[in-house]
Formats: sequence, structure tokens, C-alpha cells
Amino acid sequence: QQQVKQSPQSLIVQKGGIPIINCAYENTAFDYFPWYQQFPGKGPALLIAIRPDVSEKKEGRFTISFNKSAKQFSLHIMDSQPGDSATYFCAAPPGTYKYIFGTGTRLKVLA
Amino acid sequence: DGGITQSPKYLFRKEGQNVTLSCEQNLNHDAMYWYRQDPGQGLRLIYYSQIVNDFQKGDIAEGYSVSREKKESFPLTVTSAQKNPTAFYLCASRKGDPYNEQFFGPGTRLTVL
Repeated sequence: QQQVKQSPQSLIVQKGGIPIINCAYENTAFDYFPWYQQFPGKGPALLIAIRPDVSEKKEGRFTISFNKSAKQFSLHIMDSQPGDSATYFCAAPPGTYKYIFGTGTRLKVLA
Repeated sequence: DGGITQSPKYLFRKEGQNVTLSCEQNLNHDAMYWYRQDPGQGLRLIYYSQIVNDFQKGDIAEGYSVSREKKESFPLTVTSAQKNPTAFYLCASRKGDPYNEQFFGPGTRLTVL
């Protein structure tokens, strides 16, 4: 069974800090790597996604960097805010219709 | 507004009972999914369906069953054969293209008493 390894499991940063979450995958059918954000008691929502034709994608304070040769991708949150406190999941597609999700990173941003 | 609805939000079940979780979408998406979420284990795929009247087992299908009689609906039945059903269940949908966003519903929290 394919896996997506996500680290760290939890992360605490001060407001304004730059938390970094890492994911490593084994194989994918398509080079498309989304990150989802989930608040307690809610369903996950797409935060940002990257395709392999670029090594980095930025949307607002969120940046994905991608290293195809190492099969790794990372999420950086610039100038983190208490409202960013949530659980973050990376995902990789082993097939056309499926995602494999990482185990999640619980982020807490202290005010 | 387009989206995914799940009901009920909270569900309590006695051991030995089957229970059905509802999932409806009005996004005209072909593919629908059921995930189970447990603390520290991320999202695990139970079943998915690419088209009406067709579905495939995911990684943890034992003790669960689904149907896909309509494009908009993908109910999940948690049977008495599921040994540890207490969890947060999430339904999702997506257009067939893998580059499209997968949308999630708000979830159903099932507790077995």
C-alpha cells in the first residue's frame, strides 16, 4: 500500500513565524500535489496545489515547494497568524480517481 | 449554493446496529468518496465511486457498504461487522480530471455506545 509520509505531526510557532510542513511520496500517477486545511469539527478545504511544471507555487502567505527528484514537497506559511491554527494534510494521487493523504500536521500559532 | 451535504452531523449507535450516513452533492461531480478520520491517522479511504452504479473498495472497506444509484447521492452504511466504528466520516466529490479540486462535506461524527 502506497504511503505519503508527512512531518512533523504537530507544530507550535509564534505569530509571525514560518512553519514548514514536509511530505514525501512513493509514486504518483499524476504530478499534482494538493494541501488541505482543516479546522476542528469541519471538513478539509483545499488550500493550495502544485503541478510539476513548476518547482514552487505561492498564493498569498502560503507557498508550496516541490522537489521531483527527491519525491518531496513542502508547505511554508509566511507571517503565520493565530487564524492559521488548524490541521494540514498533504496528498498525492496514485491513480486517476484516488488520493493518498498524509497523516496530518496540527499547527498552533501563538498570539 | 453548490456543495456537499452530510447528515446527520452527530450520530449515536448501539453496538450490533447498522447505520447509514447520508451524502448529497449538487456540484455535478462524477466521482464521490468516503473517508474515515481518526486522531493521528489522517484520512483513510473507505469506498469511492467514479460513476453511477459503480464503486470500488478503498483501503479500509471491511465492515462498510455503499450504493450509488444517483449521481448526486453516495450513502455509506456502517454495518455491525465494523469492529471499531467510532470516528469522523467525511464525504467528498470531484470531477473526473485528477487536477480538479476535491471538495469535502462537513462530516458526520459517529459514536458507538
